[in-house]
Amino acid sequence: GAVVSQHPSRVICKSGTSVKIECRSLDFQATTMFWYRQFPKKSLMLMATSNEGSKATYEQGVEKDKFLINHASLTLSTLTVTSAHPEDSSFYICSATNRGASNQPQHFGDGTRLSIL
Amino acid sequence: ILNVEQSPQSLHVQEGDSTNFTCSFPSSNFYALHWYRWETAKSPEALFVMTLNGDEKKKGRISATLNTKEGYSYLYIKGSQPEDSATYLCAFAAYSSASKIIFGSGTRLSIRP
Repeated sequence: GAVVSQHPSRVICKSGTSVKIECRSLDFQATTMFWYRQFPKKSLMLMATSNEGSKATYEQGVEKDKFLINHASLTLSTLTVTSAHPEDSSFYICSATNRGASNQPQHFGDGTRLSIL
Repeated sequence: ILNVEQSPQSLHVQEGDSTNFTCSFPSSNFYALHWYRWETAKSPEALFVMTLNGDEKKKGRISATLNTKEGYSYLYIKGSQPEDSATYLCAFAAYSSASKIIFGSGTRLSIRP
């Protein structure tokens, strides 16, 4: 149980393109979803927390207008990297919980490797 | 800034040997401590979530202990097998931080057959 699907797994596109990444909880209702970014040889860095039906809470230093997050249903959250540039190239991964509390395990997608040329 | 540190960064262990590694976290404002296993080309998998000082949890050959007073957790693997090769991540939840958790950089474990 607790399966999270993330799509696409890999994106290569030109600078200036907007890229949408989807994160779906397949067998549970995800009240809270998280978006992380991982730089090479670094830890998972939380970008934002999204709660179904409300605006995402962004971490300090993460541009809201650059990384648009939508959590319109209990099973789907999307991250759109707008007008992507080479410095946005990274590994992005989502996770979800069904109770939204930090004493509950998070269930992760497989991640998206984004490469901007 | 909350600092979660894991050591060692990487570890090579002979198959059959037992091993352990450490996660250090702030000892104040503690709420929960998570352990995840992240195998190459897969998604991170939750191993344990621990909340009480002195907690010990076990899943097969893997176990973890928690000391919230001094701010550390140990993960133990008994009789390592090649399938244990993965990066092990810990993550700290502060009482005041709502639903979010802060990850350490992980310990990369390689098991030599």
